[in-house]
Amino acid sequence: SQKIEQNSEALNIQEGKTATLTCNYTNYSPAYLQWYRQDPGRGPVFLLLIRENEKEKRKERLKVTFDTTLKQSLFHITASQPADSATYLCALDKGGGSYIPTFGRGTSLIVHP
Amino acid sequence: DAGVIQSPRHEVTEMGQEVTLRCKPISGHNSLFWYRQTMMRGLELLIYFNNNVPIDDSGMPEDRFSAKMPNASFSTLKIQPSEPRDSAVYFCASSSGVGQETGELFFGEGSRLTVL
Repeated sequence: SQKIEQNSEALNIQEGKTATLTCNYTNYSPAYLQWYRQDPGRGPVFLLLIRENEKEKRKERLKVTFDTTLKQSLFHITASQPADSATYLCALDKGGGSYIPTFGRGTSLIVHP
Repeated sequence: DAGVIQSPRHEVTEMGQEVTLRCKPISGHNSLFWYRQTMMRGLELLIYFNNNVPIDDSGMPEDRFSAKMPNASFSTLKIQPSEPRDSAVYFCASSSGVGQETGELFFGEGSRLTVL
């Protein structure tokens, strides 16, 4: 069956360190993978998209990698700040011409001052 | 633009009652999605519209759920009759085109439904 797995345990890190979140998937052949941020009581907000033929993408303090062989994406936040504390969701399309995003359950990040 | 607008933000109702959730997508977006979020199951796609036409409703739980998009600026998700297990946050999202340059979804703030 198709699965998108994100670590269900919260990630606690110290301010200034790099946070690394993982998204693994099985039985998907996605054309792209997206990362969203969700704050409590709010809707998810888009952060980055990376395509199947891209290895890495950066945006300010954010970096995303995409390994279609390992079926894994890593999401990095460098120089983390308490304001980065949120839940981060990965989403990927079903592949095969269906571009509808399917979401993982997200990982909570807590950055301590 | 005001973004995706959902109403109501909170709804508390009793089992068996009809619930109608509303969504106004971002002007110019031709794709609209309804998702449901719970702690147990995360964010699940219920239905996807493209140019006001339902394309994928495989996520709609059962016949109690129905969704319409009568025009490009309005969509409803109806639950009749509602049950306690329908309690969740329902999100509407819109996009300028699935499969386009970004595929980015813009989400509303959600409608938190509690069925007693």
